[in-house]
Amino acid sequence: GQQVMQIPQYQHVQEGEDFTTYCNSSTTLSNIQWYKQRPGGHPVFLIQLVKSGEVKKQKRLTFQFGEAKKNSSLHITATQTTDVGTYFCAVNTNAGKSTFGDGTTLTVKP
Amino acid sequence: NAGVTQTPKFRVLKTGQSMTLLCAQDMNHEYMYWYRQDPGMGLRLIHYSVGEGTTAKGEVPDGYNVSRLKKQNFLLGLESAAPSQTSVYFCASRFPRGGKNIQYFGAGTRLSVL
Repeated sequence: GQQVMQIPQYQHVQEGEDFTTYCNSSTTLSNIQWYKQRPGGHPVFLIQLVKSGEVKKQKRLTFQFGEAKKNSSLHITATQTTDVGTYFCAVNTNAGKSTFGDGTTLTVKP
Repeated sequence: NAGVTQTPKFRVLKTGQSMTLLCAQDMNHEYMYWYRQDPGMGLRLIHYSVGEGTTAKGEVPDGYNVSRLKKQNFLLGLESAAPSQTSVYFCASRFPRGGKNIQYFGAGTRLSVL
């Protein structure tokens, strides 16, 4: 089935540093979604990317979808302690199946 | 509008016991999902349903059964619990496609099997 590889697994940063997580697929994706899970919480939708080369921004978060639609990234500028959590990419198929990456857990040192 | 509600929130079972986890959504979503999440790991799809009366296997279906008798409910059953099934279970639901195919998650059920 469709798989997405997400790296890195963990990232520890000092508050104010930038953070990036990457999601890669061996097949072309129709779309990709990003979710955030706070410690002890449940995943919450952040954004969906659909178009080749698409770039979307949410305040300090920048999401990109590769030109070939096989990879995506989430970049956080100047991390804050409120950014801690695990960030997942996810892909849905038209048949209904859903696959999540293994996630990148971000810790931020004040 | 409660969204996705999971019951129970916590449960401790002994090996061999059975239980049913209930997921209810009030958003009229067609698709529903059951995932498990082990410590420090991602979400693994157990079973999913694309409509009332239909179910399909995900990545890790062994040891679990599901039923979708009503559109708003998706039940996950453990017939004979094993310690390897200790995990946090999340239910999610979404519309089939388009801009509304966001998955909404419940708060999770934390299950320990002793």
